[in-house]
Formats: sequence, C-alpha cells, structure tokens
Amino acid sequence: GAVVSQHPSRVICKSGTSVKIECRSLDFQATTMFWYRQFPKQSLMLMATSNEGSKATYEQGVEKDKFLINHASLTLSTLTVTSAHPEDSSFYICSARPQGWEETQYFGPGTRLLVL
Amino acid sequence: LAKTTQPISMDSYEGQEVNITCSHNNIATNDYITWYQQFPSQGPRFIIQGYKTKVTNEVASLFIPADRKSSTLSLPRVSLSDTAVYYCLVDRSGGGADGLTFGKGTHLIIQP
Repeated sequence: GAVVSQHPSRVICKSGTSVKIECRSLDFQATTMFWYRQFPKQSLMLMATSNEGSKATYEQGVEKDKFLINHASLTLSTLTVTSAHPEDSSFYICSARPQGWEETQYFGPGTRLLVL
Repeated sequence: LAKTTQPISMDSYEGQEVNITCSHNNIATNDYITWYQQFPSQGPRFIIQGYKTKVTNEVASLFIPADRKSSTLSLPRVSLSDTAVYYCLVDRSGGGADGLTFGKGTHLIIQP
C-alpha cells in the first residue's frame, strides 16, 4: 500500500514552454501533498505544499506564478512549470500525506526535467 | 520543525549491522521521526517511523532515547543493494509543512 505515482518520469522541453507534472496517490487519499526539487548530489528542497480545495503554500524564494500547483482531488496534484528555462532543469519529486496518518509522507518516483 | 544532523557518509561491509544516528535537538512534543532511503534518480522510500523507544519492522529498527533528541536507524546484515542515501526527517502530526526540511542525508556505501 501507500503508492504514489508521477507522470511523466522524464521530460525534455524547449526553453519557454510549459510542462505539467502529475502526482497521484494510488491507494489512499491525501489532503496534503508536497512538491520538492532536487539538484544533483543535493538534498530535497521543499518548494510548496499542495492542499486539496485550497491554494498552495509556497516556500520562500519559490515563484508561485512560475510553479503553478493545482490539487483538484484527494488523489491528484499537478505542478506546472511555466515558461521553463534551462535553470529549471532538475529532479521534481512529490509526496503525499495519507489521511489519518498525517505525520507521514510517501514519495513518488520523481520526474526528471531537462530544459534545452 | 527540528533540523537534523547526520554523518555525511559511512562505509561498511556485506553482512554487517549498520547504525546511522541522527541528531534533532529541537524536536517538539508532536514531532515524529521518519527515515527514508533514496537511490539515484528515484524518490525517497519510507523505511521506518517512530515516536519514542524502539520500533522494528521487516527491514530495520529505530531506536529513540527518552529525550528524543536523537535517533538511530539500525540495518541488520546489510547487502550491496543497501548502498544509498539515508535521510532522517522530523515531521509533525497535523499535516502542514511548518518548515519541513530535509538534511543532507548519509551516503552509506556497502562493500563486498
């Protein structure tokens, strides 16, 4: 149990285009999901908290207009990187908190984004 | 949420028991301690979670002293496939991020 999926697993796009990444909790419901970014050989850095039915909360330094988050249901959150640039190339990982066990988070497999 | 400190790297050999300790001096009453394993280009995988004393599952044990300012992940009889980065995370019941911060993790290298 407690499986989180992400789609796509890898994406290559041209500079200036937008990319959408989906995060799904497959066998549980999640009121809260998180989005992280991880650069090579570094730790995970929290970007934002996604709350079902309300606006996302962004960490300091993360542009909310560039990283659009939508949490439309208890099993799906999406991250859209708008007008992507090469410096946005990174490994994006989502996690989800199971309802009723909300001191825990389960992580997705990650999405590798390469912006040319 | 409490920040965590772990050794940057550790080496061991196949078949040995490995203990990784994490410090979290500012842990609060409703904080839990969770350990994750991460392989390159993959998301972190949940290993074990605890609040106090000892927790054991099929892959690891977690020891938490009474003051909860540290925790130790114990991996029995490691194999080459246990080479990975291990993170301890202090997380809070209630759901929010509240300064949720991953430390640098411990890069565990298992040799034959």
